[in-house]
Amino acid sequence: DVKVTQSSRYLVKRTGEKVFLECVQDMDHENMFWYRQDPGLGLRLIYFSYDVKMKEKGDIPEGYSVSREKKERFSLILESASTNQTSMYLCASSLGLAGGGYEQYFGPGTRLTVT
Amino acid sequence: QKEVEQDPGPLSVPEGAIVSLNCTYSNSAFQYFMWYRQYSRKGPELLMYTYSSGNKEDGRFTAQVDKSSKYISLFIRDSQPSDSATYLCAMSFDRGSTLGRLYFGRGTQLTVWP
Repeated sequence: DVKVTQSSRYLVKRTGEKVFLECVQDMDHENMFWYRQDPGLGLRLIYFSYDVKMKEKGDIPEGYSVSREKKERFSLILESASTNQTSMYLCASSLGLAGGGYEQYFGPGTRLTVT
Repeated sequence: QKEVEQDPGPLSVPEGAIVSLNCTYSNSAFQYFMWYRQYSRKGPELLMYTYSSGNKEDGRFTAQVDKSSKYISLFIRDSQPSDSATYLCAMSFDRGSTLGRLYFGRGTQLTVWP
């Protein structure tokens, strides 16, 4: 079974803090994704990565950055947290184009509150 | 217009009912179609995955894709209270520069009452 883990289930941070959300997958997947999920807005793609040290902007990258130094690990960074970044953050991974695997497997999510 | 449209519900049915969940899409280049189930405060889990048109059955779940109408469906037979969740449809292009990203509907909230 694919396992995607996220470093925290719940996180409370203050406005202006730098926040790191970590995601690890154990299935040697090429692609990794970060989403945020808000009521009424659904899943929105922040960033994704198709290889180590490679990244692509999704639909809402403003205020976020990412890092992928190792294949299994993909980090989401909030440079200066703001209250409008309070959300559920979901990490996902997929096998990648070479393997023909488009289906994504999700972690349990991190519920971030910025006060 | 969003690329993938899904009625958010909520949908409430009695136990044992047949449930029909649907999505429409605008881009005919979508080739891969998925359904995810998401319980409250959890991450989405993959339920069904189909390529191009046709039907796929897995236990009580059947996924249908009608590419001519740009319409996909998920049917749940003999629904159970444990099926109460939000169901998200998702789809992907076959090739190109999208690098495996998925396009999601906003999800339909389903409640099955005993």
